[in-house]
Amino acid sequence: KAGVTQTPRYLIKTRGQQVTLSCSPISGHRSVSWYQQTPGQGLQFLFEYFSETQRNKGNFPGRFSGRQFSNSRSEMNVSTLELGDSALYLCASSTRDAYEQYFGPGTRLTVT
Amino acid sequence: KNQVEQSPQSLIILEGKNCTLQCNYTVSPFSNLRWYKQDTGRGPVSLTIMTFSENTKSNGRYTATLDADTKQSSLHITASQLSDSASYICVVSKSNDMRFGAGTRLTVKP
Repeated sequence: KAGVTQTPRYLIKTRGQQVTLSCSPISGHRSVSWYQQTPGQGLQFLFEYFSETQRNKGNFPGRFSGRQFSNSRSEMNVSTLELGDSALYLCASSTRDAYEQYFGPGTRLTVT
Repeated sequence: KNQVEQSPQSLIILEGKNCTLQCNYTVSPFSNLRWYKQDTGRGPVSLTIMTFSENTKSNGRYTATLDADTKQSSLHITASQLSDSASYICVVSKSNDMRFGAGTRLTVKP
């Protein structure tokens, strides 16, 4: 089975711009979760989607949003980028109960 | 205060030696406790998952233990290899809420 894929792998944006990141889960997995990882804060949960519905949400501002499509692929959008948004964004897919999560390689976002 | 504290922050050991990483948590009750290994620039990979009723779980040279009374977990690595150099992250889940430790950075030297 192919693993979780994320595109792009690297991205450089300037403050004020917006960005969209994509995640394709493992075939058959319907749950997709997004995480932000920074050296200072570690891993932080952004949100989780299951069957196109947001099932859980972390404590991030409304500039961070996401969606999931009928094929379980998910996108994450960050609007009005700030320098502090520079991070590794990870997505993880799992089956319904989210017991075992499989992470993608991440997208490294740099905001200048 | 973080609900999941890991120690040490970093650790350097020689190849072939054993080591133990610690995870103390205050999340209670919890659904499961996981240990992940994360290589630099890559996503975390699951090593072990334990429910609150399990005491130990092994995955090759990795053995995780859990003491629900003291709210402590440890990850023991046996006969370390250079490829074990990575960050090890402890995650405690409560319903749909996941709490992450800051991780322990392990370096294995030849």
